[in-house]
Amino acid sequence: GNSVTQMEGPVTLSEEAFLTINCTYTATGYPSLFWYVQYPGEGLQLLLKATKADDKGSNKGFEATYRKETTSFHLEKGSVQVSDSAVYFCALSDTGNQFYFGTGTSLTVIP
Amino acid sequence: DAGVTQSPTHLIKTRGQQVTLRCSPKSGHDTVSWYQQALGQGPQFIFQYYEEEERQRGNFPDRFSGHQFPNYSSELNVNALLLGDSALYLCASSLKVTAGGSGYTFGSGTRLTVV
Repeated sequence: GNSVTQMEGPVTLSEEAFLTINCTYTATGYPSLFWYVQYPGEGLQLLLKATKADDKGSNKGFEATYRKETTSFHLEKGSVQVSDSAVYFCALSDTGNQFYFGTGTSLTVIP
Repeated sequence: DAGVTQSPTHLIKTRGQQVTLRCSPKSGHDTVSWYQQALGQGPQFIFQYYEEEERQRGNFPDRFSGHQFPNYSSELNVNALLLGDSALYLCASSLKVTAGGSGYTFGSGTRLTVV
């Protein structure tokens, strides 16, 4: 079946630090992979996506590369800001009809 | 252009009661999906509606039912509420022809508390 495992949180970083949030997946087919972000009291916002192996998704300084050989889609950012504080969810979709989400990783960035 | 609108934003119900949550999709979207997000967890897929029919369902009991109207809006109904139904319920809309899930827009959710 399909599932996503992501790094346990919470993660606390100082401003301008490097961020990595690990995500691995299990899928029966060839899924698309996503990172969503959830700010307090809000719904999910798409951060970036990749639809096939070796694709790199990027947005707002965040990047993730679809690695089929390691079944991974790790999220990285070179220099985090206080405004990046949120919960980050890794997800996969095989048919486009249903998302499978990880449990989320809470990030707090301190000035 | 309004995004996905959910109502109400919060509500409190008693065990055994029934609840109806509502969702208006983003303009131009024809498909609505519902997710349950328990505290500290990722969203879990409940079901998806397209052309007023349930097209796909996750691992949720029959107490969870839904409806889609001709204007594409949707309702989620939960009967015989349990304490474990307390969660954030998220609605997501999309256009059916969009492949790969990248066209989803999520609403801000309805926070349901069962006491």
